[in-house]
Amino acid sequence: DAKTTQPPSMDCAEGRAANLPCNHSTISGNEYVYWYRQIHSQGPQYIIHGLKNNETNEMASLIITEDRKSSTLILPHATLRDTAVYYCIVRVVNSGGSNYKLTFGKGTLLTVNP
Amino acid sequence: SQTIHQWPATLVQPVGSPLSLECTVEGTSNPNLYWYRQAAGRGLQLLFYSVGIGQISSEVPQNLSASRPQDRQFILSSKKLLLSDSGFYLCAWSVGWGQGNYGYTFGSGTRLTVV
Repeated sequence: DAKTTQPPSMDCAEGRAANLPCNHSTISGNEYVYWYRQIHSQGPQYIIHGLKNNETNEMASLIITEDRKSSTLILPHATLRDTAVYYCIVRVVNSGGSNYKLTFGKGTLLTVNP
Repeated sequence: SQTIHQWPATLVQPVGSPLSLECTVEGTSNPNLYWYRQAAGRGLQLLFYSVGIGQISSEVPQNLSASRPQDRQFILSSKKLLLSDSGFYLCAWSVGWGQGNYGYTFGSGTRLTVV
């Protein structure tokens, strides 16, 4: 699986948009971009994933550049409860449809300030 | 809906004692199951994964073992704990991508302190 690079930490004001960048310059054509987050002392939580197109769900938006070498996770209106470590992961989905061995890096600690 | 249960939430064990952590999944069949560990201030490390009953793959050599006696049950064990086994242990499950799953679902974790 391709490696990712994320800033170790970021700050955001409550109510503002949080934009978390991720570089994955060695991503392959069949690798997806996933985002998870881990609130302190809890298990990681799935946020969103995408392959080529931008994606949006009730939690966040994912913007993937046209060359797919980087992406940005956007939390449109950050709250204090969004303070967490955010992990960007790229990985291939096996042709058989099963997936395993999700590898987490160090992620970005997002601190939302009041 | 699918749920994952992991217990106990916290555990304090003396060095040299045995360990058994259990994880069960409900609402799905033939899930892929995983054990991760997160040492204090460190990242998530995949310890074991299983794609079926009795099928265990180990990612790193260590003092731990895993077993899958039933389809939706995954157990992490040790015969003799070391201080370095302390950490936050997380169980997770996933199914095939074509079934609409969005990756991994994690349990709430067990915080193990070896003293």
